[in-house]
Amino acid sequence: DAGVIQSPRHEVTEMGQEVTLRCKPISGHNSLFWYRQTMMRGLELLIYFNNNVPIDDSGMPEDRFSAKMPNASFSTLKIQPSEPRDSAVYFCASSLTVPVGETQYFGPGTRLLVL
Amino acid sequence: AQTVTQSQPEMSVQEAETVTLSCTYDTSESDYYLFWYKQPPSRQMILVIRQEAYKQQNATENRFSVNFQKAAKSFSLKISDSQLGDAAMYFCAYRSAMGTYKYIFGTGTRLKVLA
Repeated sequence: DAGVIQSPRHEVTEMGQEVTLRCKPISGHNSLFWYRQTMMRGLELLIYFNNNVPIDDSGMPEDRFSAKMPNASFSTLKIQPSEPRDSAVYFCASSLTVPVGETQYFGPGTRLLVL
Repeated sequence: AQTVTQSQPEMSVQEAETVTLSCTYDTSESDYYLFWYKQPPSRQMILVIRQEAYKQQNATENRFSVNFQKAAKSFSLKISDSQLGDAAMYFCAYRSAMGTYKYIFGTGTRLKVLA
């Protein structure tokens, strides 16, 4: 298996622009997680999906952030409009929910820089 | 709510020596899963080892082993015969065995390996 795939790997954009991050989970996994990592705040869970349905989006910072999972093999995280404080590494991860306790596998991350 | 604490922001170890990274957690649940992830400079999050709370035997993966003390809610990682490639951030994580699909991560410990 190719593992969790994220694109782009790096993104540089200007403040106010829309940014879309993409994720393809491991085939067969039914849970998908979006994380943000910064030096100041560490690793933060933004949102997670189970069977394509958002279960908990309490970590989404504000309305500028939105996430979708239209099917089992694709998810997007969108920031509109982007701000410099959104600069971070964004990780997507996937896992199985059954059996319980299955390991979460991470993608390589997208490094976002908002100027 | 569950919490995970890594009290050592940074640790150093001499190459070929042994080092132990600490992790404590707080939960009222009796069944759960614990993980150690490694994040090298590449930023890729890699699973190192996992432990099921219902198992008394400590998990081992080659040079990596854990000391799981359920009553004390402690889950330390021991790295034996440290290698330069072990230099990374190490994150401890908790996952409930029921209900939520969320993984709760600690703030990480940066491990330096000295040649």
